[in-house]
Amino acid sequence: DVKVTQSSRYLVKRTGEKVFLECVQDMDHENMFWYRQDPGLGLRLIYFSYDVKMKEKGDIPEGYSVSREKKERFSLILESASTNQTSMYLCASISDRGASNQPQHFGDGTRLSIL
Amino acid sequence: GIQVEQSPPDLILQEGANSTLRCNFSDSVNNLQWFHQNPWGQLINLFYIPSGTKQNGRLSATTVATERYSLLYISSSQTTDSGVYFCAGISSASKIIFGSGTRLSIRP
Repeated sequence: DVKVTQSSRYLVKRTGEKVFLECVQDMDHENMFWYRQDPGLGLRLIYFSYDVKMKEKGDIPEGYSVSREKKERFSLILESASTNQTSMYLCASISDRGASNQPQHFGDGTRLSIL
Repeated sequence: GIQVEQSPPDLILQEGANSTLRCNFSDSVNNLQWFHQNPWGQLINLFYIPSGTKQNGRLSATTVATERYSLLYISSSQTTDSGVYFCAGISSASKIIFGSGTRLSIRP
């Protein structure tokens, strides 16, 4: 079974801190995604990556950056955390090989609180 | 544009009732999946259903790809079925596109 692992389930940080959210997948998937979920807004795409060192902005990239130095790891970075970045963050991955015939896989989520 | 739309946005039912959740998707979206997000925020994969019908216990799903919609059926609802149900598809660029979800509340 594919496993997508997010490094923390719960995280509390202070305004202005640099925050790293890590996501690792073990199935050699090319495509990885970071979403945030907020009440009433559903899931929104922050960034995605379709290969090592490649990244594309999603719908709400402001205030975030990402890093994909290795295929299995996709990091989301909050350069200077702000309270409006308090949210649930979800990582997902999917294979590019026959992507038309593959389901996507999600991590358990990281609930991040910025104080 | 690429769209996945879900209805209804909210649904409140008594325990034991049946429910149908709908997902409409645009031409450029394929490979429908249904997820249940539990109260702890975890997305649980229910069905991967690009077409046809699948059943798992009290849950079943049908996707009619030619008409661009998918339905999730929950029979004999239980309070543990409460939560948000998402459908999602994949665009031609391998981006996952989510619907806005249906919040289901099952009252005892």
